[in-house]
Amino acid sequence: GAVVSQHPSWVICKSGTSVKIECRSLDFQATTMFWYRQFPKQSLMLMATSNEGSKATYEQGVEKDKFLINHASLTLSTLTVTSAHPEDSSFYICSARRNSGNTIYFGEGSWLTVV
Amino acid sequence: DAKTTQPNSMESNEEEPVHLPCNHSTISGTDYIHWYRQLPSQGPEYVIHGLTSNVNNRMASLAIAEDRKSSTLILHRATLRDAAVYYCILYTGTASKLTFGTGTRLQVTL
Repeated sequence: GAVVSQHPSWVICKSGTSVKIECRSLDFQATTMFWYRQFPKQSLMLMATSNEGSKATYEQGVEKDKFLINHASLTLSTLTVTSAHPEDSSFYICSARRNSGNTIYFGEGSWLTVV
Repeated sequence: DAKTTQPNSMESNEEEPVHLPCNHSTISGTDYIHWYRQLPSQGPEYVIHGLTSNVNNRMASLAIAEDRKSSTLILHRATLRDAAVYYCILYTGTASKLTFGTGTRLQVTL
């Protein structure tokens, strides 16, 4: 089946530094990808919609200057958490909408811990 | 986005069928009913989706009410590996996004 891969699976960074998470659709093209954040025992919260070749659309309350999204190709989107702080520690999940068929597939998620 | 309502949790015995309900009384004509499940510390996994007719695949069956205001995900024989949070989501496809509610946490016991 369709596969979406995230890298890294987990990362620990120091407060004030930036960290990049990659999301790749391995066997299909995805003009649109989505980034979610999930805190323990909570549901997924959509952060932004990433569109290939154009600016991302951020959900209300999500700082676009803090969570930088780049979608440079039909198979890759990246999320950069800039100047990370401990409250940014979370499970970050990406998903990709297959161009043919519209089904959305999710990555395995990336654990970010900011110390 | 149209909202869905699911029970917070359900329990099932292994090898027995499980019926997970979802209410979506404000569904529009273009909304597809999608089900995803999320195992601990993993991203959501696509289960099944439908529009009006009942659907079957290797994972589950989806029964959609005639008025489309509710649906039921059916796991024919629950196993321990089916223990997860199941999300029922309305999705219109292109130019739409998946918005997650709280889902139903399914516990499967021996």
